Amino acid sequence: AQTVTQSQPEMSVQEAETVTLSCTYDTSENNYYLFWYKQPPSRQMILVIRQEAYKQQNATENRFSVNFQKAAKSFSLKISDSQLGDTAMYFCAFMKHSGTASKLTFGTGTRLQVTL
Amino acid sequence: DVKVTQSSRYLVKRTGEKVFLECVQDMDHENMFWYRQDPGLGLRLIYFSYDVKMKEKGDIPEGYSVSREKKERFSLILESASTNQTSMYLCASSLWGRGPYEQYFGPGTRLTVT
Repeated sequence: AQTVTQSQPEMSVQEAETVTLSCTYDTSENNYYLFWYKQPPSRQMILVIRQEAYKQQNATENRFSVNFQKAAKSFSLKISDSQLGDTAMYFCAFMKHSGTASKLTFGTGTRLQVTL
Repeated sequence: DVKVTQSSRYLVKRTGEKVFLECVQDMDHENMFWYRQDPGLGLRLIYFSYDVKMKEKGDIPEGYSVSREKKERFSLILESASTNQTSMYLCASSLWGRGPYEQYFGPGTRLTVT
């Protein structure tokens, strides 16, 4: 079974600064996918970024980028130029490369507060 | 845009009641999922379905059942609600297949069992 660990329950960052959220995972699989999801207060969960394990290049989406270290089983999320709208719960998630339903295993989340 | 809707945002039920949570998606997705979200525990998968009338248990199925009679609709049933089922329930849907398909989430139902 896979496990996903987010060791930072809460973090705070000032507007325009950079923050990194950590995530580690444990799996015996070689092919898999990793995701970061964002859940703003009282709003729906949305996908921030995804990474395919067979790709060495780190994924980027505008101000969001990841540092994927496959050997270390680490998948951190970097948010550059933080904005007030980045305030949310962030969940790291793991998905096996399988032919059926794309089940996700989530971490416990990191609550990020962006301040003025 | 994919839309996943849930029947209620807030629900209050009494212990022992039968509770139905409904989820509807409008993107013809094959997969649908029910999670519960608790502080400090993240999201945990209760049940999922990859086709009409097909279902599989997730990590915490005890005390729950599901129904999928139509492709767009996936229901979570609490046969006899208990206080330890007080939680936020999230529904999600995705395409079926081998790709890293994104799951699209509904707004959640906050259920309180008294």
